[in-house]
Amino acid sequence: EAGVAQSPRYKIIEKRQSVAFWCNPISGHATLYWYQQILGQGPKLLIQFQNNGVVDDSQLPKDRFSAERLKGVDSTLKIQPAKLEDSAVYLCASSRAGMSYEQYFGPGTRLTVT
Amino acid sequence: EDQVTQSPEALRLQEGESSSLNCSYTVSGLRGLFWYRQDPGKGPEFLFTLYSAGEEKEKERLKATLTKKESFLHITAPKPEDSATYLCAVQENTNAGKSTFGDGTTLTVKP
Repeated sequence: EAGVAQSPRYKIIEKRQSVAFWCNPISGHATLYWYQQILGQGPKLLIQFQNNGVVDDSQLPKDRFSAERLKGVDSTLKIQPAKLEDSAVYLCASSRAGMSYEQYFGPGTRLTVT
Repeated sequence: EDQVTQSPEALRLQEGESSSLNCSYTVSGLRGLFWYRQDPGKGPEFLFTLYSAGEEKEKERLKATLTKKESFLHITAPKPEDSATYLCAVQENTNAGKSTFGDGTTLTVKP
């Protein structure tokens, strides 16, 4: 079974630029999550999708972050404009519907904002 | 607001030296508590889910236990390959079932 795929693996941008991350979850997983992990901290949930719909986006900075999940499969997370404090690893995870206790994580995208 | 505190932040052990990692939590309603392992440059890897006080789960040299306020991850006779960051997370008992992670304990096992 293929794992969660993410791209790019690394991205360096200047502040005020925009950036987008892509995630392809495990086939058949209805729930998709985006987390932000700052160095030395645990992952923080940004947004959770159930199929096409948003279940929780309470911690997503909506003035600059946006996310969508196309046809209930792939997802993109966008930051526009980026700030220095957005430097972090952005993790995508997926799980089967009703099994959110067992999430499978991708390798993450390391974003550096200069 | 749900809170998860892990201690110690870092732990260095000699190979074969058993120890425990602690995860204390506050959550309005607990659906489950999870342990993950994270290697450098990788995403977290699921280890265990615990649902109720008194429950225990085991996997190789790892055993997780749960009380009403904390969980312990016991590591018996660790090996260098057990070196990693161990993350604890709680899931609240709501429709969304949001998970809140602790900041992890970084374990280093020296041969």
